[in-house]
Amino acid sequence: DAKTTQPPSMDCAEGRAANLPCNHSTISGNEYVYWYRQIHSQGPQYIIHGLKNNETNEMASLIITEDRKSSTLILPHATLRDTAVYYCIVRGVGTIQGGKLIFGQGTELSVKP
Amino acid sequence: DTEVTQTPKHLVMGMTNKKSLKCEQHMGHRAMYWYKQKAKKPPELMFVYSYEKLSINESVPSRFSPECPNSSLLNLHLHALQPEDSALYLCASSQPGGVAEAFFGQGTRLTVV
Repeated sequence: DAKTTQPPSMDCAEGRAANLPCNHSTISGNEYVYWYRQIHSQGPQYIIHGLKNNETNEMASLIITEDRKSSTLILPHATLRDTAVYYCIVRGVGTIQGGKLIFGQGTELSVKP
Repeated sequence: DTEVTQTPKHLVMGMTNKKSLKCEQHMGHRAMYWYKQKAKKPPELMFVYSYEKLSINESVPSRFSPECPNSSLLNLHLHALQPEDSALYLCASSQPGGVAEAFFGQGTRLTVV
């Protein structure tokens, strides 16, 4: 699985958009980009995933660059409850080996009033 | 029902004890995972079961013994653990090898004394 690189921490003002970057320069053609978050002492929570097109759901938007070497998770109106560690994961599909989720170090997002 | 249930939530055990962690899901998922998470670190994959068969063992010591008695249930049997095995143990489930997201339980906080 391709390795991901994320900044260790970020701050965001409540009500503003939080933009979390992720580099995955060694991503291969059949690998998807997934985002999870983990609020303190809870299990990781799925946010969104994509292959090459931008994706949006009720939680967030995912912007993937055309060369697929990086992506950005956007929380459009961050709230204090969005304070968490955010993990960007590259995951292959099609085999059980590819289906496993390998977590990197993540970005600790602090949303401040 | 999109819930993965782990029991117990907290467990304290001595180094000579035998205990088991339990994980249950009723989403029809046929892949189930065990992760270990130390404080301030990302989750680390331990085991993957696919269609009730062990498909991945990430070189985990034999004092951790996984079991998948049926498609809804996953156990982790613990024996002769060390204090450094104290951690949050997370269970997850998904469809095997596919694109669909994995769902995580809230974890069992294990303390070995």
